[in-house]
Amino acid sequence: SQTIHQWPATLVQPVGSPLSLECTVEGTSNPNLYWYRQAAGRGLQLLFYSVGIGQISSEVPQNLSASRPQDRQFILSSKKLLLSDSGFYLCAWIGQEDSNYGYTFGSGTRLTVV
Amino acid sequence: SQKIEQNSEALNIQEGKTATLTCNYTNYSPAYLQWYRQDPGRGPVFLLLIRENEKEKRKERLKVTFDTTLKQSLFHITASQPADSATYLCAPWGYNKLIFGAGTRLAVHP
Repeated sequence: SQTIHQWPATLVQPVGSPLSLECTVEGTSNPNLYWYRQAAGRGLQLLFYSVGIGQISSEVPQNLSASRPQDRQFILSSKKLLLSDSGFYLCAWIGQEDSNYGYTFGSGTRLTVV
Repeated sequence: SQKIEQNSEALNIQEGKTATLTCNYTNYSPAYLQWYRQDPGRGPVFLLLIRENEKEKRKERLKVTFDTTLKQSLFHITASQPADSATYLCAPWGYNKLIFGAGTRLAVHP
């Protein structure tokens, strides 16, 4: 069966420090992968998505970047964190858009920038 | 730009009653719409998908309707239970991506 792993679960980082969040998917190949951010009381904001290795689409200009070095690995990074980067970061995958199964989300990373 | 509206106020209902949550969208015509459940501190979990040519879809105690004229989807939970307490997110598909609403928190009281 397919599983998605996301880590770490929580992270407290000082302003100006770098960031690296990793997401891996098991049990499927060539998934579409997504990074979302959720601020308190707000909807999920799509940050990046990828339809294949090395293919990254950015939805919102910001202090973050994403990479997909392997088929089932998706990494969210920042060189210098801002206070506004705090939030709940979620990775998600889907085998095929328009399928009847929806997105599968990871358990999320709660990032607090101090 | 696309806008998704879900009732920001929590919905409080008694156990056994039917909960009805509303999702309104503007400025686009989604080919399909999804509903997710999210528990505190957890990632959303997919519940149902309904397509623009479907008026209604059911799954166990869940029922979703999709009115493309009103640009609205309704999400019903019948015979609600305290375990149904969670935040429910609406996500219409448009412009090659899922656009999520902020969700409505449902509290089912014994």
